[in-house]
Amino acid sequence: AQTVTQSQPEMSVQEAETVTLSCTYDTSESDYYLFWYKQPPSRQMILVIRQEAYKQQNATENRFSVNFQKAAKSFSLKISDSQLGDAAMYFCAYRRPLNSGGSNYKLTFGKGTLLTVNP
Amino acid sequence: DADVTQTPRNRITKTGKRIMLECSQTKGHDRMYWYRQDPGLGLRLIYYSFDVKDINKGEISDGYSVSRQAQAKFSLSLESAIPNQTALYFCATSDSNGRRGETQYFGPGTRLLVL
Repeated sequence: AQTVTQSQPEMSVQEAETVTLSCTYDTSESDYYLFWYKQPPSRQMILVIRQEAYKQQNATENRFSVNFQKAAKSFSLKISDSQLGDAAMYFCAYRRPLNSGGSNYKLTFGKGTLLTVNP
Repeated sequence: DADVTQTPRNRITKTGKRIMLECSQTKGHDRMYWYRQDPGLGLRLIYYSFDVKDINKGEISDGYSVSRQAQAKFSLSLESAIPNQTALYFCATSDSNGRRGETQYFGPGTRLLVL
C-alpha cells in the first residue's frame, strides 16, 4: 500500500525567507503523480504544484518549486520569498496512474505540515 | 464563480438524523469524489464516481451513501448521522482526458457537526 509521510508537523519561516517542507512516500510503482496542496484558514484545498514521476525535471510554479528524488522517494516543496499569505497547512499527496490497473484511484495524503510565516 | 461548489458550508445536526451534502461543478469533469478530513489524519476517500452510471466505494464508505444525479452533481448522504462523522467534508473533481486528468480540484468543504 502506498503511504505518504510528512515528518514536520509544524514549520515557521520569516517573511521573504525560504522554507522547505519535506515529504517521503512509499510505492512499488514506477509511474505515478505527486502533488502539494495548500489549505489556508479558509479550509479550501488549493493545488500548489504537481510532479509526474516520469519527468526528471523538477516542477516549478512561480515561488514554489519541488525537489523530486525518485530513487529516494522524496518530494520536498521549496517556498521562496515567503509571504504572509503562504501561511497554511500543506499536504503532500500521491496518486497512481489511472491505467495502472486495479481500483485504487484515490489520492493518498500525508498528515500535513502547518506553516507559519512571521512578519 | 467557483468551479466546484458545496452546500451547505456548515451544518449542525443531531444523532440519528439523515442529512445530505451536495456538490456541483462547472468544470465539465466526468470524475467526482467525496473525502472527509479529520485532524491529524489528512483526507480519506469515501466514494468516487467516474461517470453518472459508475459509483465506487472508497476506503471509509460505511455509514455513507452517494448519488450522481448528473455529470455535474454528486451528493453525499449520511443515513443516520453519528458523532464520529463530525468532520470536514470535501468534494473533488478530475478530468479523465489524458494525463492531466490526474489532478483533482477541490470544493470549499462542508464542516459537519453531529451532536
